[in-house]
Amino acid sequence: QKEVEQDPGPLSVPEGAIVSLNCTYSNSAFQYFMWYRQYSRKGPELLMYTYSSGNKEDGRFTAQVDKSSKYISLFIRDSQPSDSATYLCVADSNYQLIWGAGTKLIIKP
Amino acid sequence: DTAVSQTPKYLVTQMGNDKSIKCEQNLGHDTMYWYKQDSKKFLKIMFSYNNKELIINETVPNRFSPKSPDKAHLNLHINSLELGDSAVYFCASSQLTDRVGGYTFGSGTRLTVV
Repeated sequence: QKEVEQDPGPLSVPEGAIVSLNCTYSNSAFQYFMWYRQYSRKGPELLMYTYSSGNKEDGRFTAQVDKSSKYISLFIRDSQPSDSATYLCVADSNYQLIWGAGTKLIIKP
Repeated sequence: DTAVSQTPKYLVTQMGNDKSIKCEQNLGHDTMYWYKQDSKKFLKIMFSYNNKELIINETVPNRFSPKSPDKAHLNLHINSLELGDSAVYFCASSQLTDRVGGYTFGSGTRLTVV
């Protein structure tokens, strides 16, 4: 079992929809969680981070961590075609990053 | 004003050749990394250097040898290239103790071995 699991998709939704991207993780010791976004033929870029459980909002993006169920979510409101990318969830394990495989998101105009 | 730059962007070479990829960061970070992203898009850490000292050395064939001349540069040399080495190689940097700052990645080097 991988330590951080994501459905690879692709997930295809119409423009303007609310998108929910999810991850599960296995190690209850993880405390820092991040979402990276990777456009085609580019390197990943940090989108958001959260510490422990709870929500964090940044514009149209909300990251949520539920430590009791070891579940990480990223919500995108009013999705735009420019949000089309691969989204990678990441856990920080003692300063080493444990990467999910990424979910490919396609926003249709 | 590129933060993490790696060269070349594309590399096509024959099996058995030796090649190098260079990486430089101008962010003042103390830690640099090499990642391999395979055809399934899975990112796998290969090496990490903190202030020129090797701190992560994952199970990678010893044909791969990193070198960090200073904390702003991390190069990757690959000997006797094999077909399975074809992938995108990403360089990244971070400030080791800044957990929330994240990693800054370069745009990748797409290596094709023929």
